Amino acid sequence: AQSVAQPEDQVNVAEGNPLTVKCTYSVSGNPYLFWYVQYPNRGLQFLLKYITGDNLVKGSYGFEAEFNKSQTSFHLKKPSALVSDSALYFCAVRDQTGANNLFFGTGTRLTVIP
Amino acid sequence: EAGVAQSPRYKIIEKRQSVAFWCNPISGHATLYWYQQILGQGPKLLIQFQNNGVVDDSQLPKDRFSAERLKGVDSTLKIQPAKLEDSAVYLCASSSRGRTGANVLTFGAGSRLTVL
Repeated sequence: AQSVAQPEDQVNVAEGNPLTVKCTYSVSGNPYLFWYVQYPNRGLQFLLKYITGDNLVKGSYGFEAEFNKSQTSFHLKKPSALVSDSALYFCAVRDQTGANNLFFGTGTRLTVIP
Repeated sequence: EAGVAQSPRYKIIEKRQSVAFWCNPISGHATLYWYQQILGQGPKLLIQFQNNGVVDDSQLPKDRFSAERLKGVDSTLKIQPAKLEDSAVYLCASSSRGRTGANVLTFGAGSRLTVL
């Protein structure tokens, strides 16, 4: 069975500081991993994905994520946070065996403090 | 390209009433998904269509929820009768790569349902 854990409900960071939003996963076999962001009253927007290859994935708006197979983690990072990055972030996983369900974590609310 | 369109954006009903949500996916996207997002939780898949056929509806409460995708384009999700626990945001998403696991889903803004 697939599962995703986002251990922090809330992350606060000062503007200009680096940010990390944590995600760990569990799947049978190799994973496809995704990060989505949700702004108030809007749908989820795709940020980045890991399929295969380099463990460091770069995505939209300066975000990146590092795939760590041994720790089954896929943490989202950004070197310098902006106030406009404040939103709800979801990690999602799908296994590569053909299952189609994209399984989401419970989300982490990021607040960037000016 | 135009995004995924959903309506209505907000709906308030009383328990035991019925409600329907409509979704128009991105043009050319063969796969359409309906997700339920309860406050404080991540989205949960209700049903997935490939063209006009159902791929996965294992999480759909079929005693009260139904969905169709006539002609493989627009889709409608219906709840009848609604329960208090159905209060949630109903998200429609579409993707272009069929059953490929690496495909990216594009989401609509959602339809927020409040059941009183």
